Amino acid sequence: GENVEQHPSTLSVQEGDSAVIKCTYSDSASNYFPWYKQELGKGPQLIIDIRSNVGEKKDQRIAVTLNKTAKHFSLHITETQPEDSAVYFCAASSVGDKIIFGKGTRLHILP
Amino acid sequence: GAGVSQTPSNKVTEKGKYVELRCDPISGHTALYWYRQSLGQGPEFLIYFQGTGAADDSGLPNDRFFAVRPEGSVSTLKIQRTERGDSAVYLCASSSGRASDTQYFGPGTRLTVL
Repeated sequence: GENVEQHPSTLSVQEGDSAVIKCTYSDSASNYFPWYKQELGKGPQLIIDIRSNVGEKKDQRIAVTLNKTAKHFSLHITETQPEDSAVYFCAASSVGDKIIFGKGTRLHILP
Repeated sequence: GAGVSQTPSNKVTEKGKYVELRCDPISGHTALYWYRQSLGQGPEFLIYFQGTGAADDSGLPNDRFFAVRPEGSVSTLKIQRTERGDSAVYLCASSSGRASDTQYFGPGTRLTVL
C-alpha cells in the first residue's frame, strides 16, 4: 500500500521568511496530492492540492511542486505570517479514494 | 454553507464500554470517510462509504469497530468493548463523490478511554 514520508517534523522560521516542507510517496498509482493545515483542536483544512498531470500549482503565498518520476512533492509558503503557525500534513491518494497522510510538520513562525 | 459536523466533540468512557460517534456530512455529499488520529500523528483511514454501502473498510483495526450509514447521509462509528488504545481523535470527512473531488473534514470527536 501507499506510504507517505514527510520532513521535517518541526520547522521554525522567522516571520516573513519562506518555509518548505518535503514529502515522498511510494505508490506510483497515486495521482492526487492534497496538503492540509491543522490548528489545535480542529480538523484538517485543505489549503492546496495538486494532481499528477501538473508539475506546479500556486495560490497566493502557497505553492506546491510535484516530481512524479522521483515521487517527491513539496509545499512552499512565502512571506510567512504568525497565522501560518500550525501542523501541516501532506497526503497522497487516488482521486476519490482514501487519503494516506504523512506524519505532519509543526511549523512555528517566530516574531 | 454548513460544513461537516461531528458529535459529541468529546467523549470520555470507561474501558469495556460501548460508544457511538456521529458524523453529519456536507449536504449532498455521497462519499463519507472515517479516520483516526493519534497524538502527534497524521490521520489514519478507517472506512469509506459511497452512499449507504461501505466501499472500503480495510482500515478498521478489528471487529470491535463498525460503522453504518443507513440513509446515505449521517454515519455512526460504533466501538464495542473499548480499550485504552482506542483513545484518539476520530475524524469524519465527506466529498461529493465525483471523481475529482476534495475531502472536507469535520472537527473530530476526541475519545478518551479510562
